[in-house]
Amino acid sequence: QKEVEQNSGPLSVPEGAIASLNCTYSDRGSQSFFWYRQYSGKSPELIMFIYSNGDKEDGRFTAQLNKASQYVSLLIRDSQPSDSATYLCAVKITSYDKVIFGPGTSLSVIP
Amino acid sequence: GAGVSQSPSNKVTEKGKDVELRCDPISGHTALYWYRQRLGQGLEFLIYFQGNSAPDKSGLPSDRFSAERTGESVSTLTIQRTQQEDSAVYLCASSYGLDPYEQYFGPGTRLTVT
Repeated sequence: QKEVEQNSGPLSVPEGAIASLNCTYSDRGSQSFFWYRQYSGKSPELIMFIYSNGDKEDGRFTAQLNKASQYVSLLIRDSQPSDSATYLCAVKITSYDKVIFGPGTSLSVIP
Repeated sequence: GAGVSQSPSNKVTEKGKDVELRCDPISGHTALYWYRQRLGQGLEFLIYFQGNSAPDKSGLPSDRFSAERTGESVSTLTIQRTQQEDSAVYLCASSYGLDPYEQYFGPGTRLTVT
């Protein structure tokens, strides 16, 4: 089992809809979780981080963490074409000071 | 302050040559990470530094890869005897270290081995 898994997509949603991106991880003791956005040909940029169970909202973005089920998700409300990108889930592994990235989910927002 | 910078932005080299890739982290960031991203693929962890030490070198693909960091600042990733499969974008990221862990990425170095 890979340490961090995501559906590769592509995920297509119409403009204005809610995009839901999911991520599961294998290390039950993981404490820190991140979502990055990567436009084609660009470097990843941090969108959100979450440390505690529950929801964390920032503008149109909501991160949800469920440690018991070992998943973290990202909801994008009122999706815009500019949200079209690859979204990377990242998890800090407990035993190491390193962050493992999932393979990313490609999101396409259709005007 | 300034973000993470990397140089060169692009590097084309012949198979068998050695290359050095440089990363300048954000000032004050004690942790520094190197990743490799092949075309259309995810980020592959290579190595990270806490200060000048590299506690985890497990991601380095082979002994042709090495990295060092000096002065808790600049880091260099060296690839010896490059192979075509080394062609990728090499990304550097830095963070404050133990807490918080958020990483900020540089623009990357696109390496092409011909």
